[in-house]
Amino acid sequence: DSGVTQTPKHLITATGQRVTLRCSPRSGDLSVYWYQQSLDQGLQFLIQYYNGEERAKGNILERFSAQQFPDLHSELNLSSLELGDSALYFCASSPGPTPSSYNEQFFGPGTRLTVL
Amino acid sequence: AQSVTQLGSHVSVSEGALVLLRCNYSSSVPPYLFWYVQYPNQGLQLLLKYTSAATLVKGINGFEAEFKKSETSFHLTKPSAHMRDAAEYFCAVSGNTGNQFYFGTGTSLTVIP
Repeated sequence: DSGVTQTPKHLITATGQRVTLRCSPRSGDLSVYWYQQSLDQGLQFLIQYYNGEERAKGNILERFSAQQFPDLHSELNLSSLELGDSALYFCASSPGPTPSSYNEQFFGPGTRLTVL
Repeated sequence: AQSVTQLGSHVSVSEGALVLLRCNYSSSVPPYLFWYVQYPNQGLQLLLKYTSAATLVKGINGFEAEFKKSETSFHLTKPSAHMRDAAEYFCAVSGNTGNQFYFGTGTSLTVIP
């Protein structure tokens, strides 16, 4: 158990809909990272928040947004969903702001999103 | 910019045989390097990380990796494969000034009894 929790575990929805994925980081971690894992694109970094502020942006679509709240939990919002958005979405957390050998990321179990 | 290339999307070894999973990195600055393992239906778990303190890094579950700057490689090895090692393995890199974390495409390890 990494200490990172994600809800829900599974989500099934229809095209055009909007969903929210939730992540609670490990106790004491200030950074939250979001990743998308799909069969055709592998593991893609989406976005990172550190202590409530956006820290880094990866391959995140404009239809997707995220935020980190004062209690440090984070939400990833996916809107106007398409079939291709079906994937496993992982959240990770780390203590500090910058990925490094001393600031490793701990991954949650993921949310499996299926868009029908 | 940093990136990693994992050679071989699927590797099969016999139980008890040597495991070798290849990772080459591209980085304009000294990188931070990691190996993660993903068991079926689970999140990623850190196996080991390169800290620049030693080129041979020992991780959990008997795995180790050697950082070779001249070859820009960080291959993962284990002397004797066990059935429980069957999983997906990801190499990742991050530059010491960058915030992004780049994963390789993963290598699926199958262990044959």
